[in-house]
Amino acid sequence: DAMVIQNPRYQVTQFGKPVTLSCSQTLNHNVMYWYQQKSSQAPKLLFHYYDKDFNNEADTPDNFQSRRPNTSFCFLDIRSPGLGDAAMYLCATSRGSGSPSSYEQYFGPGTRLTVT
Amino acid sequence: GQQLNQSPQSMFIQEGEDVSMNCTSSSIFNTWLWYKQDPGEGPVLLIALYKAGELTSNGRLTAQFGITRKDSFLNISASIPSDVGIYFCAGGGETSGSRLTFGEGTQLTVNP
Repeated sequence: DAMVIQNPRYQVTQFGKPVTLSCSQTLNHNVMYWYQQKSSQAPKLLFHYYDKDFNNEADTPDNFQSRRPNTSFCFLDIRSPGLGDAAMYLCATSRGSGSPSSYEQYFGPGTRLTVT
Repeated sequence: GQQLNQSPQSMFIQEGEDVSMNCTSSSIFNTWLWYKQDPGEGPVLLIALYKAGELTSNGRLTAQFGITRKDSFLNISASIPSDVGIYFCAGGGETSGSRLTFGEGTQLTVNP
């Protein structure tokens, strides 16, 4: 089945120790997104890639970076995690084709990040 | 920026009851989406709406795209315990590119 996969599902890192979260998709979608979600709040968009074009949200801290080496994979790098970065990190994809259905985003199961 | 007001924030109902939740905005959207999120999982797309006035069903779920393009509602009929979760509305618009604007969510609890 076509899907969005996130690894690992649970990640523990130490304060200040760089960490990378992974996302892969078999949907062949053009757009990949990274969201941060804290306790029952709405997902907050950090950035997204439309193909190779990187789009950063204005309020995303510099501590967060992303890489998309190919269509299928996208990575979220947190350079120096702080206690406030503990959250669920969600990856999503969409077609981005310009049709109405291009707005439909399909989410992975998320990675729960704990910072100790 | 665009904002969505989702209500109610939480609902506590008995199994078998019908549920209704809605989202309103001061901005026009081209697409309304409804998601459900179970604890510890990512949101799952339930229903997508593309046209003003459109009414779409998915099993016990029914959603409508408001005629003004500024609102949408989701109804769940004959609720069951597995309906428990957080429901999010999301709007996609011409000015937002590939982005969605999310509502704050409705936490649904169903008592058996």
